Amino acid sequence: AQSVTQLDSQVPVFEEAPVELRCNYSSSVSVYLFWYVQYPNQGLQLLLKYLSGSTLVKGINGFEAEFNKSQTSFHLRKPSVHISDTAEYFCAVRSQGGSEKLVFGKGTKLTVNP
Amino acid sequence: DVKVTQSSRYLVKRTGEKVFLECVQDMDHENMFWYRQDPGLGLRLIYFSYDVKMKEKGDIPEGYSVSREKKERFSLILESASTNQTSMYLCASRASTPAGRELFFGEGSRLTVL
Repeated sequence: AQSVTQLDSQVPVFEEAPVELRCNYSSSVSVYLFWYVQYPNQGLQLLLKYLSGSTLVKGINGFEAEFNKSQTSFHLRKPSVHISDTAEYFCAVRSQGGSEKLVFGKGTKLTVNP
Repeated sequence: DVKVTQSSRYLVKRTGEKVFLECVQDMDHENMFWYRQDPGLGLRLIYFSYDVKMKEKGDIPEGYSVSREKKERFSLILESASTNQTSMYLCASRASTPAGRELFFGEGSRLTVL
């Protein structure tokens, strides 16, 4: 079975600062990895995903994430955040060739202050 | 554009009432999911369906049932609502192929049980 740990429940930053949201997973098989964003009172939308190949994945809104197999991590980064990036971010994992289930972390609430 | 539509954004029900949450997708996806989202707990899978009339329990199925009579529609049923089922409910869908396809979410249904 897979599990996902998002190491920070809340991350406050100032506008234009860099940010990293951390995600670690555990799995005995190869996985697909995802980051989703949820703006207030909305559903989740996909930021980016890692399926295979290059370990650096670029997504929407200037976000990127790096897959590190040895450390079982998939941290999300943005070099310069905007007020509009204030949202909750979820890391998720699904095993390759296995269950249809997508397992989510508990979320990290990013607050960008002026 | 892909669309997952949840019939009610906000519902208020009384303890013991039967509650139906409806979800419709227009993408011809085989897989549909119901998640529950609570602060600090992230998203937890209640049930999913990989085909019409097929269903599988997720991580927290107790107190819930589902129905999938047509490919585009997946209903979540609370037979006798209780206050601990007050939550945000998110429906999602996904194609079976290619492997690694992401989930598409509806905007959520916020249920309050009094």
